[in-house]
Amino acid sequence: SQQGEEDPQALSIQEGENATMNCSYKTSINNLQWYRQNSGRGLVHLILIRSNEREKHSGRLRVTLDTSKKSSSLLITASRAADTASYFCATALNYGGSQGNLIFGKGTKLSVKP
Amino acid sequence: DAGITQSPRHKVTETGTPVTLRCHQTENHRYMYWYRQDPGHGLRLIHYSYGVKDTDKGEVSDGYSVSRSKTEDFLLTLESATSSQTSVYFCAISGGDRAGGYTFGSGTRLTVV
Repeated sequence: SQQGEEDPQALSIQEGENATMNCSYKTSINNLQWYRQNSGRGLVHLILIRSNEREKHSGRLRVTLDTSKKSSSLLITASRAADTASYFCATALNYGGSQGNLIFGKGTKLSVKP
Repeated sequence: DAGITQSPRHKVTETGTPVTLRCHQTENHRYMYWYRQDPGHGLRLIHYSYGVKDTDKGEVSDGYSVSRSKTEDFLLTLESATSSQTSVYFCAISGGDRAGGYTFGSGTRLTVV
């Protein structure tokens, strides 16, 4: 069964707008990661947030983590057409303090119109 | 994708035939993974390896076997391919807890007819 579920499944915005994607998960995690996948390509790691962190930034990306609600959000600011891709959250379960294998959600398909 | 290559990139095979997919890394990472990606299911873990000759099953391991005889190579074998194994297969590598995220290969698109 899926550990992480992204919401929405699809999102269409205009260039310059912000895009927000959410991820909910079910069990205690070591960390949560976000990945991007362009059509026909492999996944690319974007950002990792550990369970004791609440917010992290990387360029135009902002990730938040709320462990009490078991949820995370990915914000892409000032979106560009090149941001068009599928975005996946992945959770690493907590195995006695070590990171377990990543479990992926089904993804959010983002379309940024020029 | 730097440091990790998958072969072949595309393959069409017949039902009942064995198929082997190869993942090769040049990063000397300890952990290697095989995932399959299907519409509506996202990525699901098939098998993974935590060292040479050390492998374990993932969520959807039935019908698949793996081998890792060298750090750099992780092979996925479909013992007798079925149409339900038509999918895109991704290999990934990781250095472990402190290494951050996974690095993925470009994928192998497998069609079983």
